[in-house]
Amino acid sequence: SAVISQKPSRDICQRGTSLTIQCQVDSQVTMMFWYRQQPGQSLTLIATANQGSEATYESGFVIDKFPISRPNLTFSTLTVSNMSPEDSSIYLCSVEGQGSGEKLFFGSGTQLSVL
Amino acid sequence: SQQGEEDPQALSIQEGENATMNCSYKTSINNLQWYRQNSGRGLVHLILIRSNEREKHSGRLRVTLDTSKKSSSLLITASRAADTASYFCATAINSGNTPLVFGKGTRLSVIA
Repeated sequence: SAVISQKPSRDICQRGTSLTIQCQVDSQVTMMFWYRQQPGQSLTLIATANQGSEATYESGFVIDKFPISRPNLTFSTLTVSNMSPEDSSIYLCSVEGQGSGEKLFFGSGTQLSVL
Repeated sequence: SQQGEEDPQALSIQEGENATMNCSYKTSINNLQWYRQNSGRGLVHLILIRSNEREKHSGRLRVTLDTSKKSSSLLITASRAADTASYFCATAINSGNTPLVFGKGTRLSVIA
């Protein structure tokens, strides 16, 4: 299993500003995944973060808008840059648990509202 | 791109009744998983069924998989108010291939 601490849990931000979301895992993991969940919708993968290399972004997401850091095997950050109201979503980090096969463990999410 | 489509989008039942949610997907998969999300928070893994399995049980949960129809169902028996949540299916195309692709989810309300 894996326990993930994600913060902040929620924030209200002004248009044009940036917010950095942090995820700390209680064990070393190779890959960390960042998802976005727009209101009433499913999860969409933003990017996969590997330690020591640049994150791999999914179609529709770019590094300038969602820069990701992965300085070590237990920590990652996602920044939502130059925010607009369309960025209002829940952002979730997740990892594959050690020895759990393909099962994912999730942080508690960051509920972002952009005014 | 989204692979799974849950049905129904929303379901409301009385406590003690059974709840059935369905998921359809489009491509061949290695496994299919069900997750639960309370009030827009983090998801919790419920159960995983592999492509060579047809049925799996875990407590009050029963999952079936029909690869010929590319569909799965999640049955929650003897539902409780605490089962109120959104339920998502997620598919993995290859073994060890994360990330998963999530469906749109079913919002389940269990009324006491």
